[in-house]
Amino acid sequence: DTAVSQTPKYLVTQMGNDKSIKCEQNLGHDTMYWYKQDSKKFLKIMFSYNNKELIINETVPNRFSPKSPDKAHLNLHINSLELGDSAVYFCASSSRLAGRYEQYFGPGTRLTVT
Amino acid sequence: GDSVTQMEGPVTLSEEAFLTINCTYTATGYPSLFWYVQYPGEGLQLLLKATKADDKGSNKGFEATYRKETTSFHLEKGSVQVSDSAVYFCALSFHGSSNTGKLIFGQGTTLQVKP
Repeated sequence: DTAVSQTPKYLVTQMGNDKSIKCEQNLGHDTMYWYKQDSKKFLKIMFSYNNKELIINETVPNRFSPKSPDKAHLNLHINSLELGDSAVYFCASSSRLAGRYEQYFGPGTRLTVT
Repeated sequence: GDSVTQMEGPVTLSEEAFLTINCTYTATGYPSLFWYVQYPGEGLQLLLKATKADDKGSNKGFEATYRKETTSFHLEKGSVQVSDSAVYFCALSFHGSSNTGKLIFGQGTTLQVKP
């Protein structure tokens, strides 16, 4: 059973397109996150939702819009893709309510913008 | 601001050698500390954690001790294997109802173990 899953695993698209990445967790966690890993493997938080409420919105271009339809899902939509958006995007989840703060990560989505 | 600094990689070791990856942090509060591992082509896996000073996290032969006086959380393993080759990330986060729990990562250290 996959705890945190992401689709697609690979995404190749052209500049200017709009794309979405989906994330689902079956751990019963109440908080989900999006992280971006750049080409040097540096990881940085982008967004977080707790019980469908946005609690983290780092300095990310407003072309990026997260959406959480329920506690188990967190999607990331990106408008007008740019070359600099090429990266690996990781979804993660944790159970803040239970006081367990370790995060569990999905396998990542490698986005390549050409 | 809060930050994590890891030793520069790559680190190349022979099988059965002793491993140390240094990690120090700067934080305005009292964070929890984590080590995550990323195997090639995969997501991050939690390796170990410590939530208060002098706690020792351990897993799969890896250990790290939360040292508040030196603001450090160095990762150690007594005898590495080829299968330990991966990128290791040190991270911190703050907890409690007023904190978001976001992870702040170090830059990652690549470990390569040769047979």
